[in-house]
Amino acid sequence: AQSVTQLDSQVPVFEEAPVELRCNYSSSVSVYLFWYVQYPNQGLQLLLKYLSGSTLVKGINGFEAEFNKSQTSFHLRKPSVHISDTAEYFCAVQKTSYDKVIFGPGTSLSVIP
Amino acid sequence: GAGVSQTPSNKVTEKGKYVELRCDPISGHTALYWYRQSLGQGPEFLIYFQGTGAADDSGLPNDRFFAVRPEGSVSTLKIQRTERGDSAVYLCASSLSGREGETQYFGPGTRLLVL
Repeated sequence: AQSVTQLDSQVPVFEEAPVELRCNYSSSVSVYLFWYVQYPNQGLQLLLKYLSGSTLVKGINGFEAEFNKSQTSFHLRKPSVHISDTAEYFCAVQKTSYDKVIFGPGTSLSVIP
Repeated sequence: GAGVSQTPSNKVTEKGKYVELRCDPISGHTALYWYRQSLGQGPEFLIYFQGTGAADDSGLPNDRFFAVRPEGSVSTLKIQRTERGDSAVYLCASSLSGREGETQYFGPGTRLLVL
């Protein structure tokens, strides 16, 4: 069965600084990978996803993530964060043959002015 | 356009009572998903509908939980004999066809508190 690990439960970062949110997964088969963001009092929203092709994926709001098959990682990065990026970020995995989406426990990003 | 909507936004009930949570997916989306999110955790899959039928209900924790989608649009999650441990945010999502890798669009959730 697949699983997702997000080692950092909370990440504080100063405004305009770069940030990396880590995600590792375990699976014995090919997977699709997702990053979702949950702003306070809102539903989850897709930031980006990796299905195939280029391992560097660009998403909305200046975020990008890199799929690394050998390290089974899909870390999320942004070169310069804004106050509005303060939110909960969830990494998720899904087998390429149908299976449910498995979410990680989330990382709370707090951007400090 | 309209996104996924869920009602009620908050529900407080007493232990042992029955509750119904409603999800209205994006129009035209054939796939609908229910998740449960406990405090400090990611969404946990409960059930997936393709049209009117439950294609995967492997995430339902026990037989107190049941969900329907009779006309392939609105879905209702039903919880019988609620327990304090059922307190969580219940999330609904929909996607266009349910294909692997497809983006799921989430509603704002229903926060259920069982006293």
